[in-house]
Amino acid sequence: GENVEQHPSTLSVQEGDSAVIKCTYSDSASNYFPWYKQELGKGPQLIIDIRSNVGEKKDQRIAVTLNKTAKHFSLHITETQPEDSAVYFCAASSLIGGTSYGKLTFGQGTILTVHP
Amino acid sequence: KAGVTQTPRYLIKTRGQQVTLSCSPISGHRSVSWYQQTPGQGLQFLFEYFSETQRNKGNFPGRFSGRQFSNSRSEMNVSTLELGDSALYLCASSPSGIVDTQYFGPGTRLTVL
Repeated sequence: GENVEQHPSTLSVQEGDSAVIKCTYSDSASNYFPWYKQELGKGPQLIIDIRSNVGEKKDQRIAVTLNKTAKHFSLHITETQPEDSAVYFCAASSLIGGTSYGKLTFGQGTILTVHP
Repeated sequence: KAGVTQTPRYLIKTRGQQVTLSCSPISGHRSVSWYQQTPGQGLQFLFEYFSETQRNKGNFPGRFSGRQFSNSRSEMNVSTLELGDSALYLCASSPSGIVDTQYFGPGTRLTVL
């Protein structure tokens, strides 16, 4: 089955710096890669996603890049703010016979701390 | 549009008991997936339901079961609770469950004593 590795496990930056989180996946057939932000006491919130027919997607200060050949994708946050502090998870769709049937495989998470 | 709701938000049970958790998806969404989140194992997929049918299942023992109703609301049940079942149980809804964006609820925090 699909396996997703996420690095780093913790990331500390100063306000205004950029933050980059990287994930690798094992199943070359995976075709959907979302990123979630989880704050304390809350469920994961989708922040951006990318499909395998696109190499890069941007939404204001957040961008995601996908390298299908190397089977890795990255989250880039620019001009970080203290409210960006949270746990970030990457995920990949897990396919059975070409269909995901609601299953995402998640990375282990990255604790991002943005210092004012 | 209202988001995914889960009830109850918190539960405390003792070993050997059983528990039922409920999830109401976003209006119009027919797929509901369940995940278990623990510090050690992270987010792990339990199962997915669509039109009252389980289409996909993760690697959990048979003590974990679920069902979906005709209005797409879903329940999951854990029987003969073990200490290791203490976790945050999350449900996520999506329109079809086929490479769709999944939206998560706030979760139910289960503590087994």
